Amino acid sequence: GQQLNQSPQSMFIQEGEDVSMNCTSSSIFNTWLWYKQEPGEGPVLLIALYKAGELTSNGRLTAQFGITRKDSFLNISASIPSDVGIYFCAGPDSTGANSKLTFGKGITLSVRP
Amino acid sequence: EAGVAQSPRYKIIEKRQSVAFWCNPISGHATLYWYQQILGQGPKLLIQFQNNGVVDDSQLPKDRFSAERLKGVDSTLKIQPAKLEDSAVYLCASSWQALQETQYFGPGTRLLVL
Repeated sequence: GQQLNQSPQSMFIQEGEDVSMNCTSSSIFNTWLWYKQEPGEGPVLLIALYKAGELTSNGRLTAQFGITRKDSFLNISASIPSDVGIYFCAGPDSTGANSKLTFGKGITLSVRP
Repeated sequence: EAGVAQSPRYKIIEKRQSVAFWCNPISGHATLYWYQQILGQGPKLLIQFQNNGVVDDSQLPKDRFSAERLKGVDSTLKIQPAKLEDSAVYLCASSWQALQETQYFGPGTRLLVL
């Protein structure tokens, strides 16, 4: 099946800093999703991207759908302690309503006060 | 609106024992998903239901895992017998339509097999 690659596995930043994460694939995705998972909870959808080149913001979060459709970026500006969590990229592995989601391995973000 | 409910939140069992997890989706959501999330990995879909029918169970280890959604609402996932490698978080999600970006996840059940 399709795979999504996220690295590094962990990131450590200072409160107030900006951080950028990317997600790459060897195959094309038609939708890119970014989730955040906090300890003891399930993933929560942050941003959904549907078109190559699309740039979408949600508060301090900005995500972009890569032109090649094989990558996506998530940026968090002016980080705060509650940004701590695991950030996953995900995408449906084929077109159609019943395609299943493939998730990356996630990036664990730590924010130092 | 109440979210996806799962129980129990934690379970510790010994290998070869059986275990069952329960999920109550968001009211009105026709599609229900069970995922397995091993530590350090993203969630992996085990089974997807549309109402009470199975849409995709291609990644469900059917020799030991089973799931049902008899009345098209609540669902149970069972493991019998459990193996050490089944230690993971089991996430339930639901959506109004079978559109991936509309999935809402529950808090998960953390299973430890000793």
